Amino acid sequence: AQSVSQHNHHVILSEAASLELGCNYSYGGTVNLFWYVQYPGQHLQLLLKYFSGDPLVKGIKGFEAEFIKSKFSFNLRKPSVQWSDTAEYFCAVIPFDSGTYKYIFGTGTRLKVLA
Amino acid sequence: DGGITQSPKYLFRKEGQNVTLSCEQNLNHDAMYWYRQDPGQGLRLIYYSQIVNDFQKGDIAEGYSVSREKKESFPLTVTSAQKNPTAFYLCASSRGNGNQPQHFGDGTRLSIL
Repeated sequence: AQSVSQHNHHVILSEAASLELGCNYSYGGTVNLFWYVQYPGQHLQLLLKYFSGDPLVKGIKGFEAEFIKSKFSFNLRKPSVQWSDTAEYFCAVIPFDSGTYKYIFGTGTRLKVLA
Repeated sequence: DGGITQSPKYLFRKEGQNVTLSCEQNLNHDAMYWYRQDPGQGLRLIYYSQIVNDFQKGDIAEGYSVSREKKESFPLTVTSAQKNPTAFYLCASSRGNGNQPQHFGDGTRLSIL
């Protein structure tokens, strides 16, 4: 079965530290990839997406993600986190040729940034 | 402003009662989705609909039912057959080609007393 793994369930960082959140998926075909963020008390919103082209994708608020097809990974990075980045982060995948619009989400990573 | 409206924000029901969660969108999106969010389990797909009058079961459809009579509306009924209904429910929508990100509502927190 297709799945998305986020191995870091909880991450605690100090402000200005660098961030990398892992995301791996299990599907051999073409995929569309997303990172969503859920700030405390707010709805999920799109952070960035990858469909094709340059595998290094830049999103909002200084986030970026790199698609490495050979590793089935789409890790999220930010060089210097801020207290306001405290949130839960979800990786999601759509198998491109699945014939459905079914998104597969990871279990999420809770990030806490200490001021 | 375009968006997704879920109501109510909090819902309390007695055990054994069916309850319906509302989801309305004015984004003119073809596809709509219902997820259940539990701590440590991420978002699990309950049902989704790609067009009006059609819907498919997701990964955890048992104990739930939906309808899609109008493009803008996708209500979810949590039936008494759902063993553990207390959870946070999220509705989402997207354009109907599978290549677009989803837009999410604010969610409904259901508690069974």
